[in-house]
Amino acid sequence: ETGVTQTPRHLVMGMTNKKSLKCEQHLGHNAMYWYKQSAKKPLELMFVYSLEERVENNSVPSRFSPECPNSSHLFLHLHTLQPEDSALYLCASSQAPPPGQGSEQYFGPGTRLTVT
Amino acid sequence: DAKTTQPPSMDCAEGRAANLPCNHSTISGNEYVYWYRQIHSQGPQYIIHGLKNNETNEMASLIITEDRKSSTLILPHATLRDTAVYYCIVRVHSGGSNYKLTFGKGTLLTVNP
Repeated sequence: ETGVTQTPRHLVMGMTNKKSLKCEQHLGHNAMYWYKQSAKKPLELMFVYSLEERVENNSVPSRFSPECPNSSHLFLHLHTLQPEDSALYLCASSQAPPPGQGSEQYFGPGTRLTVT
Repeated sequence: DAKTTQPPSMDCAEGRAANLPCNHSTISGNEYVYWYRQIHSQGPQYIIHGLKNNETNEMASLIITEDRKSSTLILPHATLRDTAVYYCIVRVHSGGSNYKLTFGKGTLLTVNP
């Protein structure tokens, strides 16, 4: 079983649609993340959840709405998106480390989103 | 945020060691250096991380200079499957027990037969 799974892997939606991306982690981690990767641009951190509480929102437009119902699941609800929102959306999870310790993030395979 | 500088691309012959450099001259004393790689259209994969000492795992070795202003990721015997974009990242503490990874453009390593 892959540590972090994402569904769907590919999604095509119109600008008036509402859809949701799902992420599930099977690693017992307590932090989850949404990243966006547009063509030829670095990964951009969108949201961070720690212990199911949103701790970071990097000025993401309100048409993206995250939800973290429990420590294993993370959703990204999408509505009235624009064509420029087409990108690879990546979910990651990690274990919040003790102070001064290192911890790695594990990424899912991503959802390739195309907005038409 | 501590920034990193990496060459945009490198080539390596299959079977040879690949040495990927990274400069992080503004790194703070408690900030870790992380390396990830991303094979085309896949999610990033964690490789290794370190603070001060050199580190080695089954994937790679990480050499950090004594002043911590630069590091080198070493893939000892590169294979064609190691072709990927390699990201050097300084992990920043963003409050409480939360940390942030800021990805740059990375180095595209191409392993040639």
